[in-house]
Amino acid sequence: DARVTQTPRHKVTEMGQEVTMRCQPILGHNTVFWYRQTMMQGLELLAYFRNRAPLDDSGMPKDRFSAEMPDATLATLKIQPSEPRDSAVYFCASGALGGGDYGYTFGSGTRLTVV
Amino acid sequence: QKEVEQNSGPLSVPEGAIASLNCTYSDRGSQSFFWYRQYSGKSPELIMFIYSNGDKEDGRFTAQLNKASQYVSLLIRDSQPSDSATYLCAVNLIRGGSYIPTFGRGTSLIVHP
Repeated sequence: DARVTQTPRHKVTEMGQEVTMRCQPILGHNTVFWYRQTMMQGLELLAYFRNRAPLDDSGMPKDRFSAEMPDATLATLKIQPSEPRDSAVYFCASGALGGGDYGYTFGSGTRLTVV
Repeated sequence: QKEVEQNSGPLSVPEGAIASLNCTYSDRGSQSFFWYRQYSGKSPELIMFIYSNGDKEDGRFTAQLNKASQYVSLLIRDSQPSDSATYLCAVNLIRGGSYIPTFGRGTSLIVHP
């Protein structure tokens, strides 16, 4: 059963520290998203990659967040420096965009707590 | 107006009833529409997608799309307590030349025995 793998599952860090979240998309999927979910805002898109190229990161605070896809098997989301308001669940999702769009598979998420 | 709107609920229905979940969207150019289910503490799980006006059925689930009214709904027949979850509507909205999956806030469904 193909799945999107995210690490770590949980992360507690102090304000000001760097946080790195990793995502392994499903093999063969060419589209990767990073979303952040909070009770207040719901699911917000942070970054979007297609064939490893960043297509949209307008939802991401550029001063502290960065997203990369160094190869087809790894996507990363970094926060530096982290702040308490960054506390949320961060999801990675992947999909195969070809002749149509059939939806995306989400990873289990990284629950981030910044104290 | 929010890009994708859903009633937050909770929607409470008795076991065996039909649950009706609704979603409206702002972009008339949208072509792809999705329903995801999210259990508490878990990740969203795709349950249906629909592209064309009309109904699409998959087991106990029926998605309905009306592009003229910018409205998409999900019907769950013979609701079970295991259907209790938050249902997220997602619409591919065009932004910067790309279609971006944009989610509503979700509707909480409670199916009581």
